[in-house]
Amino acid sequence: AQSVSQHNHHVILSEAASLELGCNYSYGGTVNLFWYVQYPGQHLQLLLKYFSGDPLVKGIKGFEAEFIKSKFSFNLRKPSVQWSDTAEYFCAVSNTGFQKLVFGTGTRLLVSP
Amino acid sequence: NAGVTQTPKFQVLKTGQSMTLQCAQDMNHEYMSWYRQDPGMGLRLIHYSVGAGITDQGEVPNGYNVSRSTTEDFPLRLLSAAPSQTSVYFCASRSWGTEAFFGQGTRLTVV
Repeated sequence: AQSVSQHNHHVILSEAASLELGCNYSYGGTVNLFWYVQYPGQHLQLLLKYFSGDPLVKGIKGFEAEFIKSKFSFNLRKPSVQWSDTAEYFCAVSNTGFQKLVFGTGTRLLVSP
Repeated sequence: NAGVTQTPKFQVLKTGQSMTLQCAQDMNHEYMSWYRQDPGMGLRLIHYSVGAGITDQGEVPNGYNVSRSTTEDFPLRLLSAAPSQTSVYFCASRSWGTEAFFGQGTRLTVV
């Protein structure tokens, strides 16, 4: 069965600091990988996705993620965070066959001005 | 562009009551799913469907029923509400090879 681990549950950063959120998944086959963001009181929105090709994926709002197949990882990065990045971030994985999408437990990011 | 529409946005139930959370999508997506979101637990898959007439259980299906009579609609039924079902519920839809699109969520409280 697929599973996703997000090791950082809470992260606090100052504005302009760099961000890296860890995501590891457990699945032996071909996967599709996603990062979603949830701003307070809102639904989930897609930040970026990886299906195939270049393992370094760029998303919206300056976020990027790198797929490292040998490490089963898909870490999210941003060089310089802003106060408006305060949100909860979810990593998710689906297998390419059955389309079941499994989420990690999320990381709450607080950016102080 | 409606996308994924969930109703209601808020609901309070008494223990033992039943209700149906509605979810509709207008993107002709084959795949629809229901998640519940609880603090510290992320989103957990309740039920999902890969097409009209086909449903399957996710991680936490107990106490919930679904059906998929049309491509557009995927209602979630709570048979006999329990306080443990207090949560925020999200419906999502996707097509093959795309990301999931989420509804605005339903905040359910069972007292």
